[in-house]
Amino acid sequence: GAVVSQHPSRVICKSGTSVKIECRSLDFQATTMFWYRQFPKKSLMLMATSNEGSKATYEQGVEKDKFLINHASLTLSTLTVTSAHPEDSSFYICSARDYRGSDTEAFFGQGTRLTVV
Amino acid sequence: GQNIDQPTEMTATEGAIVQINCTYQTSGFNGLFWYQQHAGEAPTFLSYNVLDGLEEKGRFSSFLSRSKGYSYLLLKELQMKDSASYLCAVTDSNYQLIWGAGTKLIIKP
Repeated sequence: GAVVSQHPSRVICKSGTSVKIECRSLDFQATTMFWYRQFPKKSLMLMATSNEGSKATYEQGVEKDKFLINHASLTLSTLTVTSAHPEDSSFYICSARDYRGSDTEAFFGQGTRLTVV
Repeated sequence: GQNIDQPTEMTATEGAIVQINCTYQTSGFNGLFWYQQHAGEAPTFLSYNVLDGLEEKGRFSSFLSRSKGYSYLLLKELQMKDSASYLCAVTDSNYQLIWGAGTKLIIKP
């Protein structure tokens, strides 16, 4: 299957700093990318959907000024957690889909474990 | 509202067969996915059903009945490495993935 690369896999940062997470589709063009957050022992929670070249659509309750999403190209989307606080510590996962093809499977990145201290 | 139900936890024995059920009520339907997720890792794709019936892939099979809003994932010849959470997800009319809470499968020797 297709490969989505997410970087970094783990990051520890200090409160008040910003962290950028990258999500790249390596062998296909991702017209749409999704960012999820997962708390321990909980299911995936969709944070936002981004389409290449347009603004991201955020789910209710997700602060768009805190979680900045940029989908500047068909192979790269970034999530920036601004002014991070300990409660932002979580597992963040991106996934990508190419709606132009017949395959609608969502390919996932490896996930990023963010710890804010 | 949109809702996907699956059991929270199941236990099975190594070498046995287990069936994980998933029922859904969503605004439209464009396919149902099963994913496997080991603790601390991202989900990995297992199966995709968009038409009624059974899809078999090695030890794993997935069944769909759209009229009943029902799917199951069947795992045969269980191995210890199958211990994981199994997530059911439905693509709605807007092609958004709606996730179930996941079923934690515990395999005992």
